[in-house]
Amino acid sequence: LAKTTQPISMDSYEGQEVNITCSHNNIATNDYITWYQQFPSQGPRFIIQGYKTKVTNEVASLFIPADRKSSTLSLPRVSLSDTAVYYCLVGDIKRDDKIIFGKGTRLHILP
Amino acid sequence: EAGVVQSPRYKIIEKKQPVAFWCNPISGHNTLYWYRQNLGQGPELLIRYENEEAVDDSQLPKDRFSAERLKGVDSTLKIQPAELGDSAVYLCASSQATNTIYFGEGSWLTVV
Repeated sequence: LAKTTQPISMDSYEGQEVNITCSHNNIATNDYITWYQQFPSQGPRFIIQGYKTKVTNEVASLFIPADRKSSTLSLPRVSLSDTAVYYCLVGDIKRDDKIIFGKGTRLHILP
Repeated sequence: EAGVVQSPRYKIIEKKQPVAFWCNPISGHNTLYWYRQNLGQGPELLIRYENEEAVDDSQLPKDRFSAERLKGVDSTLKIQPAELGDSAVYLCASSQATNTIYFGEGSWLTVV
């Protein structure tokens, strides 16, 4: 099970691009990298998932270097509503991995 | 498509009382999870089901917690008797043959 390390908190301003980096030095060959977003009083919500290189969807981009020992979630032009906790997870559910959540990164967007 | 449905949304009980939470996973999802989330922490896995079988219950406090998924669809998580330290959010989630877990809104438990 790969352990992840990410910043405890980050502040940014509306309209800025926010990059949250996660370290996972012990990632296994079959592990995927998944990011979740959690608002207060709600369950975690899937944002994006990748295995290598770059993945982009309508919400975010995920950058994964060749060694896969880290990943960066990029949120373009954030708004106040992006204030949430963001979790980086590593594992392979299809191999029955136990997906372990850390404390996540508390992102606070300022006006 | 409906997401993971949980009830009740909020529950306040006195210590030593029982409480039960219900979960209906996304249709077709064979894997069901119960997580517990304490304030300021990430979710912690309590139990994972593959259809009706509990394949990982190593983190479930079995002296007071129990769970069931009788027909491989809905699931119930029970606490009896509840303690003050059980106050938390209980999250149900499901997945199906992918590396994506989908969570419900959670059931907020306050034990007083």
